[in-house]
Amino acid sequence: NAGVTQTPKFRVLKTGQSMTLLCAQDMNHEYMYWYRQDPGMGLRLIHYSVGEGTTAKGEVPDGYNVSRLKKQNFLLGLESAAPSQTSVYFCASNPSDAYEQYFGPGTRLTVT
Amino acid sequence: GIQVEQSPPDLILQEGANSTLRCNFSDSVNNLQWFHQNPWGQLINLFYIPSGTKQNGRLSATTVATERYSLLYISSSQTTDSGVYFCAVTPYQAGTALIFGKGTTLSVSS
Repeated sequence: NAGVTQTPKFRVLKTGQSMTLLCAQDMNHEYMYWYRQDPGMGLRLIHYSVGEGTTAKGEVPDGYNVSRLKKQNFLLGLESAAPSQTSVYFCASNPSDAYEQYFGPGTRLTVT
Repeated sequence: GIQVEQSPPDLILQEGANSTLRCNFSDSVNNLQWFHQNPWGQLINLFYIPSGTKQNGRLSATTVATERYSLLYISSSQTTDSGVYFCAVTPYQAGTALIFGKGTTLSVSS
């Protein structure tokens, strides 16, 4: 099993550009999450999904959209990137509430 | 919301030393995980430990849920143990996501 994978690993955007980050998991997990990590801080939740076709906002959702069209994939979109969105983005998944979360390797995004 | 406090914020050790990292949380939880973030940024799951004690090689962890704290023990530290250690919790009946502490930065020198 590959576990949780993220694409791409690195990306540089100019202000105003758009992009989509892809998270895929092969563990048949229902729940998936997108977090961001800023320098010197722990991770903060952007959006999450409790099943195919569902999404919900987390702590810092502004400027991001998500979609969960397939159970194994969770997409994070930036419609108009801003320098404040420069961060490392982590995806995670677990079978359901209160179970251990498994994290992907992260995507380092720089917006200039 | 729930508060997660980790101590100490920074720790410097010589190779071979032992250490204890602490995580205090302000409300009941139904998930608690310890992670190691290595210098390359990768998050490594160490323990899933909402209660009780677990051991994995030189690392062990104990969570006392009734007193709202968890401890991570590192014995005979090695330079590869360097990095940031995060504690993260999911509040009981208050969402599904993990709430992270700010981490303990560990530096182990040879």
